[in-house]
Amino acid sequence: EIVLTQSPGTLSLSPGDRATLSCRASQSVRSSYLAWYQQKPGQTPRLLIYGASTRASGISDRFSGSGSGTDFTLTISRLEPEDFAVYYCQQYGSSPLTFGGGTKVEI
Amino acid sequence: QVRLQESGPGLVKPSQTLSLTCTVSGDSVRSGGSYWSWIRQPAGKGLEWIGRIYASGSTNYNPSLKSRVTISVDTSKNQFSLILSSVTAADTAVYSCARTVWFGEGYFDYWGQGTLVTVSS
Repeated sequence: EIVLTQSPGTLSLSPGDRATLSCRASQSVRSSYLAWYQQKPGQTPRLLIYGASTRASGISDRFSGSGSGTDFTLTISRLEPEDFAVYYCQQYGSSPLTFGGGTKVEI
Repeated sequence: QVRLQESGPGLVKPSQTLSLTCTVSGDSVRSGGSYWSWIRQPAGKGLEWIGRIYASGSTNYNPSLKSRVTISVDTSKNQFSLILSSVTAADTAVYSCARTVWFGEGYFDYWGQGTLVTVSS
């Protein structure tokens, strides 16, 4: 099973700041099969990025993903108030599908 | 627009069986290119993939739950279901169903709103 470790656990920033979230895998993720999700309180996650760097439909270009192998990054270029949430990475290169523990982006 | 809606009891007694159904609209569970998954999230904690099913009925489960999980599909009703046996308090969580894009082992592009299941006597 691939274990995903996200850091930091919490990121305290202000609107307009740049956010950089890390996701590290315990072994290489096949074909960069890594996705990122955003979750707000009381909601289920929303897909942001798949294939490590491809934005899902309707996702702002303020969100960008990068990385390969074992190290992946989600960058939010200019934080808007609606971006304060918890972000999860998920690998789909091997079964079982696994998620990281999440990074909370707070004001 | 693809929508998924979970339904089932919100309270289950310890040692009993949890049973949930996900009703899909805007897509067909028979369609190729998608799996259909269950995922859970205990309060204040992270996400755990439970398992998935394909239209053919082929399944794949998380080894951590495999001995207690059954996922089935009813193509006539455009639904798929989750059964989790011998539940304990540790199974208390929000359970969500999700459409799983058939690329690699799958990522989740549409989610239900989730349903809270509490295991308590």
